[in-house]
Amino acid sequence: GAGVSQTPSNKVTEKGKYVELRCDPISGHTALYWYRQSLGQGPEFLIYFQGTGAADDSGLPNDRFFAVRPEGSVSTLKIQRTERGDSAVYLCASSLGLAGDNEQFFGPGTRLTVL
Amino acid sequence: GESVGLHLPTLSVQEGDNSIINCAYSNSASDYFIWYKQESGKGPQFIIDIRSNMDKRQGQRVTVLLNKTVKHLSLQIAATQPGDSAVYFCAEKVNTGFQKLVFGTGTRLLVSP
Repeated sequence: GAGVSQTPSNKVTEKGKYVELRCDPISGHTALYWYRQSLGQGPEFLIYFQGTGAADDSGLPNDRFFAVRPEGSVSTLKIQRTERGDSAVYLCASSLGLAGDNEQFFGPGTRLTVL
Repeated sequence: GESVGLHLPTLSVQEGDNSIINCAYSNSASDYFIWYKQESGKGPQFIIDIRSNMDKRQGQRVTVLLNKTVKHLSLQIAATQPGDSAVYFCAEKVNTGFQKLVFGTGTRLLVSP
């Protein structure tokens, strides 16, 4: 079946602009996660959704970052007033639910470049 | 604090050799660990996991060892193949009521034919 998909695969924007990154999780997965991966580093947790609600957004770096999941499926990560330091690969993952051993399946990521 | 790190940034091996990738973690309360493989341009892919009540777990060509005394984790890959070339991450599941993963920096495995 289809895995986690993310669009666009690449996004180049200018400093100060607004961007939206989309994640389509695996059908039936209620849990959705966003991570950010800087060059040469491991992914860093941003936010977690269980259904429609953001259960934990403690990883969002500041109030320029916001994410939604209005219908409990597709999620959008929104970044306002982008800065060069926001350049990274943004990864989305989904899992069946909260249970401790539910594997997180990752999408290919969106590479964001802020000029 | 919570952190997971790796000893070696790059590991080069010959095809057919066994590879060992190491990881140190600092949160002694962590009870679940995962190894991921990440190929260029792709997201991390689950390889194998282990709970803290185990010392060893084996999969297909891979074995994970956990030493809780020194907070050390290792991934062993038998008969390494060129297709194993990738960056490998260990990740720690933090018990926050959901599956918050804390990743290490990663080790790049290069397999020469």
